[in-house]
This record gives sequence, C-alpha cells and structure tokens, in this order.
Amino acid sequence: DVKVTQSSRYLVKRTGEKVFLECVQDMDHENMFWYRQDPGLGLRLIYFSYDVKMKEKGDIPEGYSVSREKKERFSLILESASTNQTSMYLCASSSDRGAKNIQYFGAGTRLSVL
Amino acid sequence: QQQVKQSPQSLIVQKGGISIINCAYENTAFDYFPWYQQFPGKGPALLIAIRPDVSEKKEGRFTISFNKSAKQFSLHIMDSQPGDSATYFCAATPYNFNKFYFGSGTKLNVKP
Repeated sequence: DVKVTQSSRYLVKRTGEKVFLECVQDMDHENMFWYRQDPGLGLRLIYFSYDVKMKEKGDIPEGYSVSREKKERFSLILESASTNQTSMYLCASSSDRGAKNIQYFGAGTRLSVL
Repeated sequence: QQQVKQSPQSLIVQKGGISIINCAYENTAFDYFPWYQQFPGKGPALLIAIRPDVSEKKEGRFTISFNKSAKQFSLHIMDSQPGDSATYFCAATPYNFNKFYFGSGTKLNVKP
C-alpha cells in the first residue's frame, strides 16, 4: 500500500512564525503535491513537484514556498504565518509509471494560526 | 475561477436511497474525471474514475455518468449506506497530466 505520511496532525502557531509542514511518501513516486482544504472551496493546489529540486506553482502559491531535496520528502513552508493560512493542509503523491493518474493523499495537517 | 463546479454542497439521504452528486466543467482539454472519497480524519482516496470514451462506469454501488456534450458528470450511489457518509470530491484533468482540478466537495450524510 502507498503511504503518504504528514508529520503533524495538528499544529498551532502564532502570527509571523515560520512554519514547516513535512510530507514523506514511501512509493518512490515522482510527483508530490500540497493542497489546502477549506469548507466550500474544495482542494486548492498550492505547489507541486515532479522531480527532486523541481517545483511548480499551483493556483494559490502566495505566502508559501516548498522544498524537495529528496525524492520521498516534500516540505511546505509558511515564511510568516498569517491567520488566513489557518486551514487543513493535504499532501499527495503520484507516479509517472503505471497508474499515472492516481493521487495518494496523507491524512492532513490541521494548522491554526493565532 | 473554479474549473470544476460541484453540487450540492451537502446532501442527506435515507439508508437505501440513491445519492446523486453533480459536476460540470468548461475546459475541453479535460479527459480524465476521478471521484475521491474522504472520511473524517482521513485524506481523500480514489473511489472511481472515468474517461470520456464511455458514458457510464459502474463499480459495485457506485456509478459515474458522463455527458460529454453537456460537459457534465455525476456520481450515483445506489442503496446508500451509513458507511458511505463522507465528503466526495469530483476532479478533472487532461489524461496523464499531473495537475488535478477539484470541485468544492459534497458532504454526504446517510441516515440509518
């Protein structure tokens, strides 16, 4: 089974703090994604990466950055957290081989910025 | 601008009833349409998917109906069960393309 693990289920941070959300996948997938999930807005893509050290902006990249130094790990960084970044963050991965169109999701990190 | 529009936002169905969730899109480059199911506290997981070369795909109690000319597709859950209570997301993407466009989600509650 594919496993996508997000390091924290819940996080509480203060406005202005630098926040790191970590995601690890164990299936040697090439592609990794960060989404945020908000009620009534569905899943919105923040950034994705199709290879180590490569990244592409999604639909809502403002206020976020990412890092992919190893194939299995994709980090989302909030340089200076703001209250409007309070949300559920979901990481996903997919393969360029075989079932290319299936994204596998982690359980999510619920971030509260106070 | 949302690329995939999903309705309703929430749905209550009695056990044994039919649940229907609808999605619409505009981009004719889309040719892969998955549905994801998300239980509370879990990430979304692929439920069923369709490509536009067929008008319907069925897997157990779950059926996708696809209308290419109307650019609409829907999920039907037959004989709905309380265990089907979850949030459902439709999505669309060009086939073999990395980026998915998700709908806004439908929270389904199946009453016993």
